[in-house]
Amino acid sequence: DIQLTHSPSFLSASVGDRVTMTCRASQGISSSLAWYQQKPGKAPKLLIYAASTVQSGVPSRFSGSGSGTEFTLTISSLQPEDFATYYCQQLNSYPTTFGGGTKVEIK
Amino acid sequence: QVQLQQSGPGLVKPSQTLSLTCAISGDSVSSNRAAWNWIRQSPSRGLEWLGRTYYRSKWFNDYTMSVKSRISINPDTSKNQFSLQLSSVTPEDTAVYYCARGGVAAAGALDFWGQGTLVTVSS
Repeated sequence: DIQLTHSPSFLSASVGDRVTMTCRASQGISSSLAWYQQKPGKAPKLLIYAASTVQSGVPSRFSGSGSGTEFTLTISSLQPEDFATYYCQQLNSYPTTFGGGTKVEIK
Repeated sequence: QVQLQQSGPGLVKPSQTLSLTCAISGDSVSSNRAAWNWIRQSPSRGLEWLGRTYYRSKWFNDYTMSVKSRISINPDTSKNQFSLQLSSVTPEDTAVYYCARGGVAAAGALDFWGQGTLVTVSS
């Protein structure tokens, strides 16, 4: 199975900060990567698919990039509602797998 | 707007079968532009994809190897829903279980999710 590793695992930031987090795959997955946001007690919410396509209804401050084995999720100006855990998921081969997440907390 | 509504017991005894249902509104379980997935989440295992069912002129299933001998995901076209059955459960199967749609338009990503069901395996 393809392993996905987030860095950092934990991120402390302030409202208005530009935030970048990384997801690395154990082997090349082309652009078959999605990003999700999850808040406590809620289901994950799709933010980005195909590495860089923003899902309909997701604010434009979220962006994704990368291909192959390294991917990034950027929040251009962190808002109070963005404090959450973010997960990547690879869809290049089944079983699809998820990373362990990056938790974004208030500084 | 697609909505997924999960139902099923929150407590299952060890060695018994866990059964959950996901009712679909706003789409069809028989759609050739979607796949219907089950995922679980626990502190020890994180987010773990369990399997999916989908229709492309005929029905297909995929399952993750770790539960392949114990899992069954089945569509019910008459009720527009799909179900998860996981047999011979142990406390390690305790988790929040989610159903989710994998949309072709989203390159297979999980674009709609159920509300989640906490299933505890305990006697």
